[in-house]
Amino acid sequence: KAGVTQTPRYLIKTRGQQVTLSCSPISGHRSVSWYQQTPGQGLQFLFEYFSETQRNKGNFPGRFSGRQFSNSRSEMNVSTLELGDSALYLCASSLPSGRNPNTDTQYFGPGTRLTVL
Amino acid sequence: SQQGEEDPQALSIQEGENATMNCSYKTSINNLQWYRQNSGRGLVHLILIRSNEREKHSGRLRVTLDTSKKSSSLLITASRAADTASYFCATGQYAGGTSYGKLTFGQGTILTVHP
Repeated sequence: KAGVTQTPRYLIKTRGQQVTLSCSPISGHRSVSWYQQTPGQGLQFLFEYFSETQRNKGNFPGRFSGRQFSNSRSEMNVSTLELGDSALYLCASSLPSGRNPNTDTQYFGPGTRLTVL
Repeated sequence: SQQGEEDPQALSIQEGENATMNCSYKTSINNLQWYRQNSGRGLVHLILIRSNEREKHSGRLRVTLDTSKKSSSLLITASRAADTASYFCATGQYAGGTSYGKLTFGQGTILTVHP
């Protein structure tokens, strides 16, 4: 099976712009989670989507949003970019969850490195 | 916020030696997972241990979990230069069904294996 793919891999934007990142999960996986990784804060959970619905959200401002399509592909959007948004953005997919959380292994994509100038 | 601490923050060893990394967490968990990350790339899943398990093996990896102490350890035996990476523990919590898809990561241990 193909792994989780993320596009683009690298992105350079300027403050105030907006950006959209894309994630294609492993075939058959319906849950997609997004994380932000920075040297200062480490890996932090942004949100999770399952069957086109956001089920969980981390502690990030409303400038960070996402969505999931019927084929489980997901996008995240950051509006009005700030310098502090520079980070590696990782998405992860897993099998349908909720009923058996002990099997919720998450498989990560290679990430999108966003640089905000 | 991070779930807990990983210890040590950095570990430098020679090829063939064993590497042990520890992880502590704060809240009750349903499972604990270990991931490896090479040089700012994506995370590779290594092993998942459930809260009712105490020890698990996978190849050269051995993971223990002590829920009474809220801690876990990852042992890599007979390390290789290719094991050089950052290692993270991550916990999944499902209290009240509100933590779907959320893993809470530790700060990570940077492992360097010298050939």
